Amino acid sequence: DTGVSQDPRHKITKRGQNVTFRCDPISEHNRLYWYRQTLGQGPEFLTYFQNEAQLEKSRLLSDRFSAERPKGSFSTLEIQRTEQGDSAMYLCASSKSREQYFGPGTRLTVT
Amino acid sequence: QQQVKQSPQSLIVQKGGISIINCAYENTAFDYFPWYQQFPGKGPALLIAIRPDVSEKKEGRFTISFNKSAKQFSLHIMDSQPGDSATYFCAARNDGGGADGLTFGKGTHLIIQP
Repeated sequence: DTGVSQDPRHKITKRGQNVTFRCDPISEHNRLYWYRQTLGQGPEFLTYFQNEAQLEKSRLLSDRFSAERPKGSFSTLEIQRTEQGDSAMYLCASSKSREQYFGPGTRLTVT
Repeated sequence: QQQVKQSPQSLIVQKGGISIINCAYENTAFDYFPWYQQFPGKGPALLIAIRPDVSEKKEGRFTISFNKSAKQFSLHIMDSQPGDSATYFCAARNDGGGADGLTFGKGTHLIIQP
């Protein structure tokens, strides 16, 4: 399978805990994106990397959120001190031109 | 401010019929308009996309119609099949402005009745 992969697929955590998600983009895609999708809504853009550089961050990305893409390959998204409002599907996408290809997502439930 | 408005929220079509989903945008800097299909528990899958230099693009049973002056675009699914039952999202982006994130509509839940 050469598509975008994400791990874990599901995460249940207690409020206040930290969580980290991983995204592996399609090989040779230099652009990587993180989105958040809540139930019944479209995905909302969070942040964007070109190679290892984080070039854009949405106002949705509060100080509790941090993303990295060391060496321009896989990326991690960390949420510190999780809140119930963080419960959502976190989607990763990659591209090498304008078309963005999404992974299956990580569903986060904060109890 | 919702920059991409999508309608209808839900749609039921008989097998073999035409499904039509509409989107309107506000930001005139948008110049790339993709449509995504999403099944429950899966990530969105790119279906078809258009740029404003053409008014229509067709790929198989899927067609995008684009009206630049009205700032509207629509997805037509011809000969709709039960396997097309999914949630469809329109999206838009300023392709050359450095703002690389897609702005999505709220989605249309499509049901194709056999």
